[in-house]
Amino acid sequence: AQSVTQPDIHITVSEGASLELRCNYSYGATPYLFWYVQSPGQGLQLLLKYFSGDTLVQGIKGFEAEFKRSQSSFNLRKPSVHWSDAAEYFCAVGALDNTDKLIFGTGTRLQVFP
Amino acid sequence: EADIYQTPRYLVIGTGKKITLECSQTMGHDKMYWYQQDPGMELHLIHYSYGVNSTEKGDLSSESTVSRIRTEHFPLTLESARPSHTSQYLCASSEWGGSGELFFGEGSRLTVL
Repeated sequence: AQSVTQPDIHITVSEGASLELRCNYSYGATPYLFWYVQSPGQGLQLLLKYFSGDTLVQGIKGFEAEFKRSQSSFNLRKPSVHWSDAAEYFCAVGALDNTDKLIFGTGTRLQVFP
Repeated sequence: EADIYQTPRYLVIGTGKKITLECSQTMGHDKMYWYQQDPGMELHLIHYSYGVNSTEKGDLSSESTVSRIRTEHFPLTLESARPSHTSQYLCASSEWGGSGELFFGEGSRLTVL
């Protein structure tokens, strides 16, 4: 069965520091992979997605993620974090059956200190 | 910017009451979804629809029901709310043949006393 693991429940970084949020998935075929961000009291917003091709994917707000098939990972990175990046981040995997049903991880809460 | 709206944003009600959470989208998307979100837990799909008169149960069993009479509208109903129904409910939509991206509403936070 499909599953997504985000091993870090809570991460704290200083503003300007680099960031990497981990995501591991379990899926039999090549998955669709997504990262969403949720600010307090808001819905989820898509940061980036991977379907095929280049394994390094660029997203909005300066985020990028790298798909590594050998490690079943899709880690999210940002070279320099801004205070406004404080939010909850969700990794998700989708099936290639046009249903758009997504399996989400438990999320990583990012706290940014000035 | 996504055009998907949920009402109410916050609701506190007593046990046994019937409630309906509204979800509307103006993007003409055929596919719509309801996810349940609890703190520290993953989002769980509880209902989805591929179009008018189409509704399916998701991966997480839920006592709620949904209907899809119009493309733009996908309400969720609880006939008799219980404290175990306290949660955040997120509505989302996507288009056929699209990128797989889900567009989410801002959520409805339900508290049942």
